[in-house]
Amino acid sequence: EPEVTQTPSHQVTQMGQEVILRCVPISNHLYFYWYRQILGQKVEFLVSFYNNEISEKSEIFDDQFSVERPDGSNFTLKIRSTKLEDSAMYFCASTLKRQAEKLFFGSGTQLSVL
Amino acid sequence: QKEVEQNSGPLSVPEGAIASLNCTYSDRGSQSFFWYRQYSGKSPELIMFIYSNGDKEDGRFTAQLNKASQYVSLLIRDSQPSDSATYLCAVDTGAGTALIFGKGTTLSVSS
Repeated sequence: EPEVTQTPSHQVTQMGQEVILRCVPISNHLYFYWYRQILGQKVEFLVSFYNNEISEKSEIFDDQFSVERPDGSNFTLKIRSTKLEDSAMYFCASTLKRQAEKLFFGSGTQLSVL
Repeated sequence: QKEVEQNSGPLSVPEGAIASLNCTYSDRGSQSFFWYRQYSGKSPELIMFIYSNGDKEDGRFTAQLNKASQYVSLLIRDSQPSDSATYLCAVDTGAGTALIFGKGTTLSVSS
């Protein structure tokens, strides 16, 4: 089965630093997502992206976050100035259709902000 | 604020029993309903989706939807120790792209 690939698997950074989380969605998929999960908490939607623009975003996705599809394969999440509370597992996901039956998740990037 | 509520558990059942997991949601405009399974430290994986009122069966799993009561459930028949995981209920936001997840119910199946 095709996979969504995320790198790195673990990222440690100092508070106030910028981080970029990288994802390679499944090649023929059109919709891309970032979700996060703070340890012991629920999976939270951050942003969805289609046709090179944000289609939906949550209240969590404030000005410190941005997403980009810099080429035909990568999808990135940038956090400009990390805070302690940004520490979480960040999941990238992709789907072929808008009302998708299955959200394909990557294995996640564990971000630790010190 | 759109919410999805689940009992956190743990729900403990013996091997071979039926496990029943429940979920309520707040947004009457939601159209798509999903059950994901998440093992510790891993990403969620889809078990089932359901769009219409009633039951939907897939192997040992049955999803039930009651839109009038804003209630979704998942039954797991012949539970196995390998079913031990956290089960996440997810509902679409109505805008068509994002999912709202519940906190999940932890299931423990003892052999």
